[in-house]
Amino acid sequence: EVHLVESGGDLVQPGGSLRLSCAASGFSFSSYAMAWVRQAPGKELEWVSAINANGGATYYADSVKGRFSISRDNSRNTLYLQMNGLRAEDRAIYHCAKQNEHQLPLFDRWGRGTLVTVSS
Amino acid sequence: DIVMTQSPDSLAVSLGERATINCKSSQSVLYSSNNKNYLAWYQQKAGQPPRLLIYWASTRESGVPDRFSGSGSGTDFTLTIDSLQAEDVAVYSCQQYYTTPPAFGQGTKVEIK
Repeated sequence: EVHLVESGGDLVQPGGSLRLSCAASGFSFSSYAMAWVRQAPGKELEWVSAINANGGATYYADSVKGRFSISRDNSRNTLYLQMNGLRAEDRAIYHCAKQNEHQLPLFDRWGRGTLVTVSS
Repeated sequence: DIVMTQSPDSLAVSLGERATINCKSSQSVLYSSNNKNYLAWYQQKAGQPPRLLIYWASTRESGVPDRFSGSGSGTDFTLTIDSLQAEDVAVYSCQQYYTTPPAFGQGTKVEIK
């Protein structure tokens, strides 16, 4: 069974940094593109970033480009999101999501998420 | 960027009745070379992560009950829940995966009347 478990969420001051992790199990992690999708309270799901299976290609929403960096360690079955220059509007639950076998941004498994709060 | 708009924002349906949710994309998500609509539906119950229900606009994900069905093409899509069950109370969201950035609708909350 596929399991995705996020960690690293915390309360941070504006301008601060966090690194989120997503531990994956139950599937061949190195064969699938992965993504981060966030959900602010009462708002719709928002795609944040994605990375291809071997880590050679990364993609970002305009709202986080230049501030966030996605990476993966296939030897550890772990996905990361380095978040710098955090803003109040980055407050959300951050889910990691597995993309489907065709490497499309279609998310067939999701983690429960980790909460990031940005406040002074 | 493609914008996804759902209607209604919420609806209350009696147990055993049909629920219908609409989703409109700001541009077509039909890829002419394979005649596939790059449109998915997700279910999100309170306190849980989203669950993929339907992709290619009408293909049910493995394990999804057949009371859930998707239809539509181009820019207009519908999720239908036949014979609503208590466990179907959730927020339902559409998503286009035709272009990057992938985009979600604002969600439709389904409750029991």
